[in-house]
Amino acid sequence: DQQVKQNSPSLSVQEGRISILNCDYTNSMFDYFLWYKKYPAEGPTFLISISSIKDKNEDGRFTVFLNKSAKHLSLHIVPSQPGDSAVYFCAASSGDKLTFGTGTRLAVRP
Amino acid sequence: AAGVIQSPRHLIKEKRETATLKCYPIPRHDTVYWYQQGPGQDPQFLISFYEKMQSDKGSIPDRFSAQQFSDYHSELNMSSLELGDSALYFCASSPRQGTYEQYFGPGTRLTVT
Repeated sequence: DQQVKQNSPSLSVQEGRISILNCDYTNSMFDYFLWYKKYPAEGPTFLISISSIKDKNEDGRFTVFLNKSAKHLSLHIVPSQPGDSAVYFCAASSGDKLTFGTGTRLAVRP
Repeated sequence: AAGVIQSPRHLIKEKRETATLKCYPIPRHDTVYWYQQGPGQDPQFLISFYEKMQSDKGSIPDRFSAQQFSDYHSELNMSSLELGDSALYFCASSPRQGTYEQYFGPGTRLTVT
C-alpha cells in the first residue's frame, strides 16, 4: 500500500525552464512534507519542507506547494540547472517515520 | 558542515552470517533513524532512537536489532542474513525528537551472497 506516490518516474526539462515534480498522498495523518534529492551511491539530501498548515514554502530556486484538500504537493525548480539532475523523493512525516514516494528522475538538458 | 557518517560503506556477507552497521549522527543530533532501500525501491523506515531509547519502529525484521549508545552513535545488527537483505541501509539524524527534517548519511551497501 503506497501511501505516498510519485506517478511520474522521470521528467526531462530544458536548462533555464521550470521543473515541476508532483506527489500525492493518501494518509490524512501526515502533518509534514519534505523533498529530498538523491544522487547515485549517496544518501538523500534534504531540500525543502512544508508544514500541513501552510500551502507554500519557498527557498531560493525551490518552491513547494501543498494542496491539502487534494492531498497533493509539488516541487517547483526555477530556473532548472543541469546540476539539478538527480532522483527526487517526496516524503511525508507522521511521528518519527518518514514515508517516501517512489521517486522521480529529473534530467535537465543543457 | 559535519554530516552523518556510516560505516562500512560496502559490506559483503554470506547467507546466515551476521552484519553490524554503524552510524554516527551529526554533532548535537540526538535522534537517529534507520532506513532500508531495496533495488528500485523507495527507502523504508526500520527503527528510530531518541536519547538512547527506541522511539518508533517500522518494518524491521525480528532478525535485526539496533541500539543507540551514550555518544548517540547507533548500530544496526543483522543476523541470519538472507539474500533479500541485500540493500542500501541509510542512517539519518535530527537534532531533537519531533523535528521533521532528517539528514541522511551516504548509506551502507550490503550484499548478501
